[in-house]
Amino acid sequence: QVTLRESGPALVKPTQTLTLTCTFSGFSLSTSGMCVSWIRQPPGKALEWLARIDWDDDKYYSTSLKTRLTISKDTSKNQVVLTMTNMDPVDTATYYCARPGIAAAGYFDYWGQGTLVTVSS
Amino acid sequence: EIVMTQSPATLSVSPGERATLSCRASQSVSSNLAWYQQKPGQAPRLLIYGASTRATGIPARFSGSGSGTEFTLTISSLQSEDFAVYYCQQYNNWPQFTFGPGTKVDIK
Repeated sequence: QVTLRESGPALVKPTQTLTLTCTFSGFSLSTSGMCVSWIRQPPGKALEWLARIDWDDDKYYSTSLKTRLTISKDTSKNQVVLTMTNMDPVDTATYYCARPGIAAAGYFDYWGQGTLVTVSS
Repeated sequence: EIVMTQSPATLSVSPGERATLSCRASQSVSSNLAWYQQKPGQAPRLLIYGASTRATGIPARFSGSGSGTEFTLTISSLQSEDFAVYYCQQYNNWPQFTFGPGTKVDIK
């Protein structure tokens, strides 16, 4: 059974760096074709794809946010970490990690429950 | 970036009626389009991928159609559990995946 769970701070101050962890089970990120993405959703607004990391450590970022994002993985811990620098109140959102049901597909079958991050001083 | 638009923003439907939701891409995405359902406080749930293939466990009352830039999600007979927000997502422009703004389906 595939599960994903996001964790991280609920509140960060403007200009700080956000670090989020996705802990997953039911699959291994060392398996060929596997990948995990981060997606966010501001309150009452649409979804926005942020970043993806593949089994072979290839990394992809949203064009609009690439200068602020870093994605990494710890295969031994079954974790994917996303850092976002220079946080701003507009970055207030629920952050999800997600993965496709089949290798490297561009849609998302499995989602974590999300973690709400508020940016405020 | 491929911009996705959805219409209408809100659709008021009576239970048992048919609902038709539209999604448009700013350029062709072939059939690389997915639909999701999201209820308050929950993560999105994949309904359709490849524009018309139902995901595992999705009831047959959900159907998708279209290709290129115009897509439709149809719910043939709305059940109480179908009142939610629906998002389309393109995955043709790899890996810059983009989502539409959503259509809220509420009770008439």
